[in-house]
Amino acid sequence: AQKITQTQPGMFVQEKEAVTLDCTYDTSDPSYGLFWYKQPSSGEMIFLIYQGSYDQQNATEGRYSLNFQKARKSANLVISASQLGDSAMYFCAMRWAGSYQLTFGKGTKLSVIP
Amino acid sequence: EAGVAQSPRYKIIEKRQSVAFWCNPISGHATLYWYQQILGQGPKLLIQFQNNGVVDDSQLPKDRFSAERLKGVDSTLKIQPAKLEDSAVYLCASSLASGGTGTQYFGPGTRLLVL
Repeated sequence: AQKITQTQPGMFVQEKEAVTLDCTYDTSDPSYGLFWYKQPSSGEMIFLIYQGSYDQQNATEGRYSLNFQKARKSANLVISASQLGDSAMYFCAMRWAGSYQLTFGKGTKLSVIP
Repeated sequence: EAGVAQSPRYKIIEKRQSVAFWCNPISGHATLYWYQQILGQGPKLLIQFQNNGVVDDSQLPKDRFSAERLKGVDSTLKIQPAKLEDSAVYLCASSLASGGTGTQYFGPGTRLLVL
């Protein structure tokens, strides 16, 4: 069975600093996709970044990058130059081959300090 | 391009009452999902539709929850009768049926409080 683990319930980061949010996963499938979503207090889940298991390069989207270490089964999200608006819950999720269903981790609450 | 729409945004009901949520997916997205997110947890899939057919409803409590997607576009999720433990945010998401990354795009959610 697929499983996503986010070990950091909460994180603090100083404005303009970089922060890494951890995510590890467990699957026996060779083909899968990894996603990060942001959930502000308003409740909407906002898609941030995607990494496919066969992608050679780490995914990047603006200030977001994904540190994908396949052998370690980790897919950490790096946010550079943190902004106050980055304060939110962040969820890691995985989709396995042949399905578009997502399995989510429990999330990490990021607080950006001015 | 319009995103996923949901209504209502908030609902407060008493236990044993019934409630319904509505979702309109992104235009052209054949796959629609309903998730339940209990406070402090990640979303849990309740049901997945492709067009107007059910792909997976294995985690839907069918004794009280029902969902439909008529004409393969809008969808409604109903709870009857509601229990206290149904208090949660109900999220609707949609994605393309095939190809690409399968990225799901979420609506703003409906916050349900059962008293």
